[in-house]
Amino acid sequence: AQKVTQAQTEISVVEKEDVTLDCVYETRDTTYYLFWYKQPPSGELVFLIRRNSFDEQNEISGRYSWNFQKSTSSFNFTITASQVVDSAVYFCALIESGNQFYFGTGTSLTVIP
Amino acid sequence: NAGVTQTPKFRILKIGQSMTLQCTQDMNHNYMYWYRQDPGMGLKLIYYSVGAGITDKGEVPNGYNVSRSTTEDFPLRLELAAPSQTSVYFCASSLTPWGTSDRGHQPQHFGDGTRLSIL
Repeated sequence: AQKVTQAQTEISVVEKEDVTLDCVYETRDTTYYLFWYKQPPSGELVFLIRRNSFDEQNEISGRYSWNFQKSTSSFNFTITASQVVDSAVYFCALIESGNQFYFGTGTSLTVIP
Repeated sequence: NAGVTQTPKFRILKIGQSMTLQCTQDMNHNYMYWYRQDPGMGLKLIYYSVGAGITDKGEVPNGYNVSRSTTEDFPLRLELAAPSQTSVYFCASSLTPWGTSDRGHQPQHFGDGTRLSIL
């Protein structure tokens, strides 16, 4: 079974639309960490956010926001007023307390001008 | 600071050849990692190291070897290249284990990747 599931393989939105990228994880650990990374077409990995399992506060950073819900094992990522520069593959990742590390398969976002 | 530097950026190998992917970091990080990213997939951990002289297997170690003789360098070796090893390889480093406690800092610093094709 997948430890991190990103069910949306590809999403296309028109510029200025809001878009939510879903991430569902599976773990039995009580201590774990969740991450989101962005991989633009140039290929590098850009860190977006880290969240530990004890911090369920939602976070907003500019046009980006994250909704962490332990009850549904989800860590969803919303981009508000999307821009063409947001076009990239976005990865959700999980690190368990035993140092087991898992990446999701990614969601490819295309923002159409 | 250069951060994490990987060489080469691109390489084409023939089946059965061997090569070493180089990775060096200048941040004095104890923790270093090698990942592979297959087309359309996320990253999978090959090997990691918690300090000089200490390495351990990740999720997909078969066909690879690593060494960590210094804090700065963490080379990845392919002994008998196979088509299944065609991938993009990323090296990363972090100050704390997996970068989970690097408050205010990027958790893992990634190199720009090495695109490897085996034909």
